[in-house]
Amino acid sequence: DAKTTQPTSMDCAEGRAANLPCNHSTISGNEYVYWYRQIHSQGPQYIIHGLKNNETNEMASLIITEDRKSSTLILPHATLRDTAVYYCIVRVASSGGSNYKLTFGKGTLLTVNP
Amino acid sequence: DAGITQSPRYKITETGRQVTLMCHQTWSHSYMFWYRQDLGHGLRLIYYSAAADITDKGEVPDGYVVSRSKTENFPLTLESATRSQTSVYFCATLGDSPLHFGNGTRLTVT
Repeated sequence: DAKTTQPTSMDCAEGRAANLPCNHSTISGNEYVYWYRQIHSQGPQYIIHGLKNNETNEMASLIITEDRKSSTLILPHATLRDTAVYYCIVRVASSGGSNYKLTFGKGTLLTVNP
Repeated sequence: DAGITQSPRYKITETGRQVTLMCHQTWSHSYMFWYRQDLGHGLRLIYYSAAADITDKGEVPDGYVVSRSKTENFPLTLESATRSQTSVYFCATLGDSPLHFGNGTRLTVT
């Protein structure tokens, strides 16, 4: 799987948009970009994923650059409960063997301030 | 819908003891994973299983043993616990796309 690079920490004001960047310059054509978050003392929670096109769901939006070497997770109106560590991961879509061995980096600690 | 259940939630054991962490899923997902999480290291894969009776090593398998006799259960055993195995352990399953994680077991080895 391609490695990812994320900032160690970010701050955001409550009610504002939080934009979390991720670099994945070695991503392969069949690798998806996944985002998870982990709130203190809980298991990681799936947020969103995408391949090429921008994606949106009830939690967030995912913007992937045209060359797919980087992406941005957008929380449109951050709340205090969005304070968490956010992980960006890339993995292949096909089934079988070690393709499912996901590697989580250290992620970005997002702190939403009142 | 319980999803993934990990037990125990907290465990304290002594160095050299054998301890087993349990993971049970209600979805019948084929793939299951064990991760450990330590400060400064993020989540690291210990072992994973593609199906019943099929297991493989992850990034940090030393000191751990797994089994998967049934699809729904994936226990992780520390045969002789060491202080370096003090950590939070997460079990996960893989469905159609995203990983689903349990709430973890916090293990302390004294």
